[in-house]
Amino acid sequence: QKEVEQDPGPLSVPEGAIVSLNCTYSNSAFQYFMWYRQYSRKGPELLMYTYSSGNKEDGRFTAQVDKSSKYISLFIRDSQPSDSATYLCATRGTSYGKLTFGQGTILTVHP
Amino acid sequence: NAGVTQTPKFRILKIGQSMTLQCTQDMNHNYMYWYRQDPGMGLKLIYYSVGAGITDKGEVPNGYNVSRSTTEDFPLRLELAAPSQTSVYFCASSPRLAVGPDTQYFGPGTRLTVL
Repeated sequence: QKEVEQDPGPLSVPEGAIVSLNCTYSNSAFQYFMWYRQYSRKGPELLMYTYSSGNKEDGRFTAQVDKSSKYISLFIRDSQPSDSATYLCATRGTSYGKLTFGQGTILTVHP
Repeated sequence: NAGVTQTPKFRILKIGQSMTLQCTQDMNHNYMYWYRQDPGMGLKLIYYSVGAGITDKGEVPNGYNVSRSTTEDFPLRLELAAPSQTSVYFCASSPRLAVGPDTQYFGPGTRLTVL
């Protein structure tokens, strides 16, 4: 079983839709949860960060962590064509720097 | 600041050849990483370094070597290239923070094909 599982998609939605991206993880020691966004032929960049359980909102983006079910979500409201990218969830435990990434979900938002 | 730079951008190798992927960061970050990214497989950690002179293996180190003689540079060496090493390679760096997010800053990647 992979430590972090993410549906690779691809996911295609119309502009303005609400997008839900999800990951599950198996290691209960994971405490830090991140979402990275990767545009085509570029390196990933950090989008959202959450520590432990709960929600975090940043503009149109909301990150959610449910540690009881080991479930990580990213919601995008009013999606835009510029949101088209690969979204990677990432987690780590207490060892700083060593992240475990999901497979990435390819999202396309069409006008 | 240029951030994290990688060279070359593209490379085609023949089976059995060797090469070094270069990575440099100008943010004075202690931590540096090498990942490979295969289609639909996410990022796999090859090697990482917590400072000059200190390196350690990640998830998929076989067939690779690294060194870290300065804070800025973290080259990745491929010896005896194999088709299984065809991938996109990303270098990343991060500051060591007591609190706060794991912001790893990634380079633009090197696309390597082994034929």
